[in-house]
Parts: sequence; C-alpha cells; structure tokens
Amino acid sequence: EAGVAQSPRYKIIEKRQSVAFWCNPISGHATLYWYQQILGQGPKLLIQFQNNGVVDDSQLPKDRFSAERLKGVDSTLKIQPAKLEDSAVYLCASSLRHEEAPEAFFGQGTRLTVV
Amino acid sequence: GENVEQHPSTLSVQEGDSAVIKCTYSDSASNYFPWYKQELGKRPQLIIDIRSNVGEKKDQRIAVTLNKTAKHFSLHITETQPEDSAVYFCAASPTDSSYKLIFGSGTRLLVRP
Repeated sequence: EAGVAQSPRYKIIEKRQSVAFWCNPISGHATLYWYQQILGQGPKLLIQFQNNGVVDDSQLPKDRFSAERLKGVDSTLKIQPAKLEDSAVYLCASSLRHEEAPEAFFGQGTRLTVV
Repeated sequence: GENVEQHPSTLSVQEGDSAVIKCTYSDSASNYFPWYKQELGKRPQLIIDIRSNVGEKKDQRIAVTLNKTAKHFSLHITETQPEDSAVYFCAASPTDSSYKLIFGSGTRLLVRP
C-alpha cells in the first residue's frame, strides 16, 4: 500500500517569501491533516479536511497560511509571507476517520527553513 | 480544548531494561490514545493505541495502560533494544468525532548497548 506522499522534502527560503507544500494522501482516505512540527516539539494540528471541506482550522494562522484540497484528494499548504518562526517540519497525514479505523498515517514531511 | 503533557522529555536506559513514558490529558471526554515513534528524520509511525473502553493493551514488548479516572496513560517497553531509540509521542483524540490528534511534547528514548 502506498503511503502519504509529500513534496518537496526540503525547502529553504528567505523571510517574506512565499512557499507551497503538496500532499497526496493514501487512496481512499477522506480525512487529511496538516501538522506543524517545530524542532523538539510534538506535531501541532494546523488544519483538517474531510473530503474537500474544512473540519478544523482553528490553529491555522490565517493571515499568512492557507490550504486547499480541491477534488477531495491532493492538498496544498501555502505560507505567504513566511516568517523566521515558520521554520519547522510540515507533516501531512491521512486517515479513514471512523470508529473502526481512526489511525492517522503520516508522510515524510517537508522541512522548511526560513532565513 | 484538549491539552496533553508528556514526561519525561528524555529517558536513557540500559539495553534489556524497561522504559516507561507517561502522559496526562485534560479533556475527560477524549476516547482514543495512540502512541507514535519517530526516528531521526523520519515520519511518525503508530506503534500502539488504546480506546477509552479498555484499561490495558499489549503487543509483544510494548504495552499501554489507561487510567480514565486520573486522566493519564502510559507506554511501557520491556527488554529494550538499541533500535527502540527514538522520540516517542503520545496523543489524545477529543470526542468530537474528528479524530484529530493532540500530541504531547515527546520523549527522547536512548537505549544504551
């Protein structure tokens, strides 16, 4: 079974520039999550999609972060403009999200460095 | 909202010894508690999980216990091996059926050969 795919693996940008990350979830997984993992911390949920609708974006800094999931499959997360404190690993995860299979499967992540 | 605290932040044990990592959660209605292992530069991977209707679950050398009254759950690794060295994260899932995960801050486990 193919896992969650993310690209790019690494990205270095200057502050105030924009950047976009891409995620392809496991086939058939309706739920997609974007997490931010700052070095030395646990992942923090940024946004959750169910199909192409947003379920939870309460922790997404909406003045600079945006995300979309067109057609309910792939998703992109964008940061514009980036700040130094956005340096982190951005993890995408997907799940079937139901009582019998709540497990979230993570992608390899995109390591963002803002200089 | 849910808040998860995890202790200790680092843990060093001798190969063959046991390791215990503890987490507490704030939302008494949370009902799903997974544990993830993250090796350096790799993705978090689920190693074991427990539902709120169960007090203990075992899978070979790893076990998880849940105390709903005290709102804490623990990961137990027996007969530790060097390949168990990694960062371990606990998480809790609120009962709003979204199954979003609120993570603890992680425990770096080092198993000394």
